Amino acid sequence: QSALTQPPSASGSPGQSVTISCTGSSSDVGGYNYVSWYQQHPGKAPKLIISEVTQRPSGVPDRFSGSKSGNTASLTVSGLQAEDEADYYCSSYAGSNNLIFGGGTKLTVL
Amino acid sequence: QLQLQESGPGLVQPSETLSLTCTVSGGSIRSTSYYWGWIRQPPGKGLEWIGSIYYSGSTNFNPSLKSRVTISVDTSKNHFSLKLSSVTAADTAVYYCARHKATTDWFDPWGQGTLVIVSS
Repeated sequence: QSALTQPPSASGSPGQSVTISCTGSSSDVGGYNYVSWYQQHPGKAPKLIISEVTQRPSGVPDRFSGSKSGNTASLTVSGLQAEDEADYYCSSYAGSNNLIFGGGTKLTVL
Repeated sequence: QLQLQESGPGLVQPSETLSLTCTVSGGSIRSTSYYWGWIRQPPGKGLEWIGSIYYSGSTNFNPSLKSRVTISVDTSKNHFSLKLSSVTAADTAVYYCARHKATTDWFDPWGQGTLVIVSS
């Protein structure tokens, strides 16, 4: 099964909003509300920031929000801050006890 | 506070078997709500789920790796293990372990990761 499709890069200035897309198919993103997003700073382990499309774990700033429309999920980061510069990965349940990740998006804060 | 820590050799010979262990601290691996998973990340590339195990021994695997992967659990030691057979240079990666909420498919928390290089 192919990885979910994410743009390789995204950018925004401090205070702005940026949205990162994650496109799959009706067999994964479109078929289930089990999309998660992870933030990964260089040399660090990924950190869960969104689960089940829209749920924000305790301690994650409300500047991070998730949504889904059809086969595409999105992560929006509002009020960009310097520390938001990182790689972001989406993942989705893909049926038959399988899970796939996106290829990742490098977010640059200008 | 739940913590996970990977351990194992950092260098594996081609065609050999990669073996890693993830030790769970600050909580029990016998949790009824969670699986325990392995995820890897080749240098400069994205994440790939390898497989997950429940404390009872029930497992799920990435279909693309299933033929080479064994995951086991030792509840007495509060750890679980990964074996990946017949490795090649393509298996060079940082290997992470993480708690896996399998019903809704998210991973949290993650271990710090361990780099495994496949080379002679």
